[in-house]
Amino acid sequence: EAGVAQSPRYKIIEKRQSVAFWCNPISGHATLYWYQQILGQGPKLLIQFQNNGVVDDSQLPKDRFSAERLKGVDSTLKIQPAKLEDSAVYLCASRYDRNSPLHFGNGTRLTVT
Amino acid sequence: AQSVTQLGSHVSVSEGALVLLRCNYSSSVPPYLFWYVQYPNQGLQLLLKYTSAATLVKGINGFEAEFKKSETSFHLTKPSAHMSDAAEYFCAVSVNRADYKLSFGAGTTVTVRA
Repeated sequence: EAGVAQSPRYKIIEKRQSVAFWCNPISGHATLYWYQQILGQGPKLLIQFQNNGVVDDSQLPKDRFSAERLKGVDSTLKIQPAKLEDSAVYLCASRYDRNSPLHFGNGTRLTVT
Repeated sequence: AQSVTQLGSHVSVSEGALVLLRCNYSSSVPPYLFWYVQYPNQGLQLLLKYTSAATLVKGINGFEAEFKKSETSFHLTKPSAHMSDAAEYFCAVSVNRADYKLSFGAGTTVTVRA
């Protein structure tokens, strides 16, 4: 089966600019997650979707980050405006149901200068 | 709240030697514990998981981990390191299997010397 697809792989922007990341989960996976992985740290959950509804966005900095999952399939994560501390790898993950494992994409590496 | 601590940010082993990566957890309820591996420029891949069944868990690529409640530990081992084991390893904990809210450790980078 095809894995979790993410694009772009790399993005360099200046602070205060906007950026968007895209994720296409494995077909049929109802649950989708966005994680932020800062260099030298483990991934941190930003938001969890169940189909097209948000289950948990308690760790999402809502003043600058937003995410949506239209039609319960693809998802986009947006940062506006970006700060230097947003430099990180943004990982998307999905799973079929509560008994199945997480599948991670290869991530988008964001550098904010 | 649950958390994990990985002891040692870097581990260097010789090819064929034992690999031991340490993970201690903190949780107010019985935890679910996971080890993930991340190769350069790739996403995370599940190595193994503990979900309250057998305390010794076998995973992929010859890795295993033992859940020790008395020590709040879930250390990862592999008897004989291969060059292909060079990667970053993350321990993670969840207290709710249903929503898989994983809390990750900071990771341990493994290098394998020929």
